[in-house]
Amino acid sequence: QKEVEQNSGPLSVPEGAIASLNCTYSDRGSQSFFWYRQYSGKSPELIMSIYSNGDKEDGRFTAQLNKASQYVSLLIRDSQPSDSATYLCAVTDGQNFVFGPGTRLSVLP
Amino acid sequence: GAVVSQHPSWVICKSGTSVKIECRSLDFQATTMFWYRQFPKQSLMLMATSNEGSKATYEQGVEKDKFLINHASLTLSTLTVTSAHPEDSSFYICSARQQGGIYGYTFGSGTRLTVV
Repeated sequence: QKEVEQNSGPLSVPEGAIASLNCTYSDRGSQSFFWYRQYSGKSPELIMSIYSNGDKEDGRFTAQLNKASQYVSLLIRDSQPSDSATYLCAVTDGQNFVFGPGTRLSVLP
Repeated sequence: GAVVSQHPSWVICKSGTSVKIECRSLDFQATTMFWYRQFPKQSLMLMATSNEGSKATYEQGVEKDKFLINHASLTLSTLTVTSAHPEDSSFYICSARQQGGIYGYTFGSGTRLTVV
């Protein structure tokens, strides 16, 4: 059974702080990694993808991948109340696409 | 970018009736589409994988006779909730991926179904 694990949270951070979201996966054959954001009552939207070890930055978001440790993270700098949402980690080996349960982030004004 | 359109956005129906939800890939062809269900404050639950031109693959515990899936073209998949009951009330979301497999999935906007 291929698994993707995330801390369900809620993770609370003050406005302006860095929010760190973590995800681990079980399948060493995983090739691609994604972070989705889902606001309450809405469908998920893709915010970051990462395919190779290291960091990938896009605006206030940085995805970090460590395949040896089977670990992928998402950092949100200068967190805003509008970042409050559930963040889903997703992993694929090219065939199967597996979502984690999501981490609920709350950014406090 | 890849766009997936889902209709209707919300629907209210009476118990015992059937509801059809459409999922369209607007700017790409999707040989595979996926249907999820999400209850309040819970994670996405994959219901079934819809394959163009063939039968859908259902996840364990999902009634194939109740949730009918048709994927008649490379851009359209439909989910029909038959003989709906209040416990079927949920948020239904479809997703699709562009061919290649390593790219992320694009989600439709979701359909909120309320059965009264």
